Amino acid sequence: GAVVSQHPSRVICKSGTSVKIECRSLDFQATTMFWYRQFPKQSLMLMATSNEGSKATYEQGVEKDKFLINHASLTLSTLTVTSAHPEDSSFYICSAPLWERYGYTFGSGTRLTVV
Amino acid sequence: ELKVEQNPLFLSMQEGKNYTIYCNYSTTSDRLYWYRQDPGKSLESLFVLLSNGAVKQEGRLMASLDTKARLSTLHITAAVHDLSATYFCAVPSDSNYQLIWGAGTKLIIKP
Repeated sequence: GAVVSQHPSRVICKSGTSVKIECRSLDFQATTMFWYRQFPKQSLMLMATSNEGSKATYEQGVEKDKFLINHASLTLSTLTVTSAHPEDSSFYICSAPLWERYGYTFGSGTRLTVV
Repeated sequence: ELKVEQNPLFLSMQEGKNYTIYCNYSTTSDRLYWYRQDPGKSLESLFVLLSNGAVKQEGRLMASLDTKARLSTLHITAAVHDLSATYFCAVPSDSNYQLIWGAGTKLIIKP
């Protein structure tokens, strides 16, 4: 139980285009979603925290106009990378806290390559 | 500010040997998490440690938590090649429960 389905798993896009990444909670209600990016051989870096029905909270240095986060329902949170550039190429992972279990569940990740 | 430090960052070992990965954190917390990550994959939960003195074991891996020392260990017993991966520890912050991550330990186990 407590699965977060993340799509797409892999996407290649051209510079200047936008890409949307979806994370759906399949069997629980995700009131909060954490969005991470991970560069090769590095740890996870928190980009933003989204809460259902409210604006996302972005970490320092993350452009909110470039990385649009929407959490309009308890089962869906999306991250849209707008006007993507090669430096946005990375591995993006969503994660939801499981309050009752004191744990966290993770999406399977999205490998974004901008060419 | 909560900081999480892991060591070593890289570990190459032979099958059959034992070793320990250490995770120190800078402020009080009674919870700590261990995850495994394979290349190109997302995180897989290994252990959730919820109190001081917590010890959990799964196969050849055993994790413990000492909240007074702000230290957790991940012990590998008689390592096998399948355990090759990157291991992360993480501690939740008090403010919004976001996880603060260690840098990760890349473990390579040679046959």
